[in-house]
Amino acid sequence: QKEVEQNSGPLSVPEGAIASLNCTYSDRGSQSFFWYRQYSGKSPELIMFIYSNGDKEDGRFTAQLNKASQYVSLLIRDSQPSDSATYLCAVGIGGTGNQFYFGTGTSLTVIP
Amino acid sequence: EAGVTQFPSHSVIEKGQTVTLRCDPISGHDNLYWYRRVMGKEIKFLLHFVKESKQDESGMPNNRFLAERTGGTYSTLKVQPAELEDSGVYFCASSQRDSGRLEQYFGPGTRLTVT
Repeated sequence: QKEVEQNSGPLSVPEGAIASLNCTYSDRGSQSFFWYRQYSGKSPELIMFIYSNGDKEDGRFTAQLNKASQYVSLLIRDSQPSDSATYLCAVGIGGTGNQFYFGTGTSLTVIP
Repeated sequence: EAGVTQFPSHSVIEKGQTVTLRCDPISGHDNLYWYRRVMGKEIKFLLHFVKESKQDESGMPNNRFLAERTGGTYSTLKVQPAELEDSGVYFCASSQRDSGRLEQYFGPGTRLTVT
């Protein structure tokens, strides 16, 4: 079983719609959760992080964490073609949370 | 503020040769990490420095890999001798020292191809 699992996609949504990206993790003791966006050939760019159960909103992005279900998600509202990228879920593992485990990423395409 | 930088962006070497990758973290970030992504797989942790000290090197695949961070600034990752399975993208990341701030910021990566 992988530490962090994501649907690889591809996920396609029309422009203006809500894109929903999901991630599950296996280590029940994990305390920190991150979403990165990666354009082809570029560095992973941190777009959201969440440490507590519930929702965290930043602009068009909302991260949702449910530790009981070991589930973290990312919602992108009013999706734009520029949101087309691979989205990586990362979970901080271990006592300090400094070692990140990544999912394989979900490819998102926003169709104009 | 400059981000994490890595050099070179690409490297093609033959099996048995040596390659050294360099990472410059964000200024003031004491934590520095190396990760690797091989084709089709997820990004995997290699090791973690706090300043010049290795905090966690549990992800280093074998003793052909040597990471250093002399002076606690930039870091190098040397692969000697390189094998075919070492091909992949090597990412460096950095984060602040504050234990409450776990966010890691990634560099663009070095794409290593071993032929």
